[in-house]
Amino acid sequence: KNEVEQSPQNLTAQEGEFITINCSYSVGISALHWLQQHPGGGIVSLFMLSSGKKKHGRLIATINIQEKHSSLHITASHPRDSAVYICAVHNYGGSQGNLIFGKGTKLSVKP
Amino acid sequence: DTGVSQNPRHKITKRGQNVTFRCDPISEHNRLYWYRQTLGQGPEFLTYFQNEAQLEKSRLLSDRFSAERPKGSFSTLEIQRTEQGDSAMYLCASSSLGEFLYQETQYFGPGTRLLVL
Repeated sequence: KNEVEQSPQNLTAQEGEFITINCSYSVGISALHWLQQHPGGGIVSLFMLSSGKKKHGRLIATINIQEKHSSLHITASHPRDSAVYICAVHNYGGSQGNLIFGKGTKLSVKP
Repeated sequence: DTGVSQNPRHKITKRGQNVTFRCDPISEHNRLYWYRQTLGQGPEFLTYFQNEAQLEKSRLLSDRFSAERPKGSFSTLEIQRTEQGDSAMYLCASSSLGEFLYQETQYFGPGTRLLVL
C-alpha cells in the first residue's frame, strides 16, 4: 500500500462542474502539498497546508489531520484546469527534506 | 525567467551510454532536489542538497547515479551505463529553507525526459 493514496485516478468533468480530488496518507506529516502538473512535465505548487483550509481563486484545499485526509476542490471548472493533480506530504520525523508523492489524479475538463 | 530551469529538456540515448542533466535553481534557494517520475506515477525522491552538501540519497539512486552541486548553485545528475529502466522524467526542484522544515515550498523545473533505447 502506498503511503499517499489519491482518488480518483482519472476524472472527466464538464465545464462548470464542481470537482473534488481526495488524498489519504498513512504516515505522520508536518505538511501536505497539492501540486499541478501539465503535459510536458512542469509542476506548479498550488497549496501547502498543515491544518484547516486554504483558498486561492477557484481552488480550495482542506486537510483533516486526525483523519489523515485532504481534499482539493475546484469550483466552476474550466478546460484550462485539465492537468494532473498530485498530493505530496512531508513525512514528519522521516528523512530531512523529501516529499512522498501520490500517483496523481488526471483531470480532464470538457467544454 | 527566474524559475527553475533544466537542460536538456529531452534526451534520447542508447543503452550503456552515459548522460548528464543540469538543473539551475532559483538563485536565492539553498535547497535543491532531484526526483524521477515514470509514466503514470508520481515523482519519487532521488537526492537533495543543502547548499553544496548532498544530505540524503534515496535507495533508488544506484551506484550508476551521481549528483553534484559543486558551488551550491547549479546541480548535475549523471547516469552511467544507462539501462532501459532509467527511461523517465527527471525533475529538479529548489526551495529556500524556512524557519521550520515544513514551511518550505518547492519550485519545480520543467524536467528532462530521458529515453534509453
